[in-house]
Amino acid sequence: EAQVTQNPRYLITVTGKKLTVTCSQNMNHEYMSWYRQDPGLGLRQIYYSMNVEVTDKGDVPEGYKVSRKEKRNFPLILESPSPNQTSLYFCASSSLSGGAGGYTFGSGTRLTVV
Amino acid sequence: GDSVTQMEGPVTLSEEAFLTINCTYTATGYPSLFWYVQYPGEGLQLLLKATKADDKGSNKGFEATYRKETTSFHLEKGSVQVSDSAVYFCALRGSKGGGGSNYKLTFGKGTLLTVNP
Repeated sequence: EAQVTQNPRYLITVTGKKLTVTCSQNMNHEYMSWYRQDPGLGLRQIYYSMNVEVTDKGDVPEGYKVSRKEKRNFPLILESPSPNQTSLYFCASSSLSGGAGGYTFGSGTRLTVV
Repeated sequence: GDSVTQMEGPVTLSEEAFLTINCTYTATGYPSLFWYVQYPGEGLQLLLKATKADDKGSNKGFEATYRKETTSFHLEKGSVQVSDSAVYFCALRGSKGGGGSNYKLTFGKGTLLTVNP
C-alpha cells in the first residue's frame, strides 16, 4: 500500500531535549515536505526537499532541521524544542513528474513541549 | 505571494442538506487547485483537484469548479451525510517559478463541517 509513515504519533517532551520525528514514504517520490498545523492558522510549510541531499526552507523553518540522506526518508529534527513548537506535524510526499498531482500525507505527529 | 481564503467555520448542517464551502485564491499564473479532507484524528486526504480553468473536480459526491475569472474553487455537495463531518481545506499549488516553489501547497485555514442526523 502506498503510504507515508510518521513516527511517533504522539510525543510529550520537555523544553530543550532534542527530538527527531521520522518520516518514510514507499512511493519513490522525489519531493517531501513537513508542515505544522495550528488552530486558526491552517497548515504552514516548515521545510521541503526536492531530492536526496536537496533541502530548503519553507515558511516557518526557525527551530527545525531536516536531512535527506535517502530518497525514502525525511526526518524532522528539533535540536532544542520550545513550547511554541507544540503543534500537529504532517509529513507529505509528491512525485515531481506526471502533472499537477497532490501530496500524500502521513497520519500526523502530535507534539507537546512542556 | 500565493494565498487561499476559505469561509470561516464551523458549519453545521442536517443530514441531506446542501453544502457549499467558499474558497478564493490569489496566485500568479495558472495554479492547480485542491480540496483536502481531514477526518478526526487522521491526516489529510486528497478529495478532488482541478488543474486548469473551467475544470471540474469531483469525488464522493463533492464537486468544485476552477473559476479563473472569479479566482474561486468552491466546494459543493448536494446531500451531506453524517460521515462527511470533517475539516475541509482548500489549497493551491503554484505555477510560477521553478524548483521547490513550484511544488509547495498553500492551504486555507480549514472549515470544520459537522453534519447532524
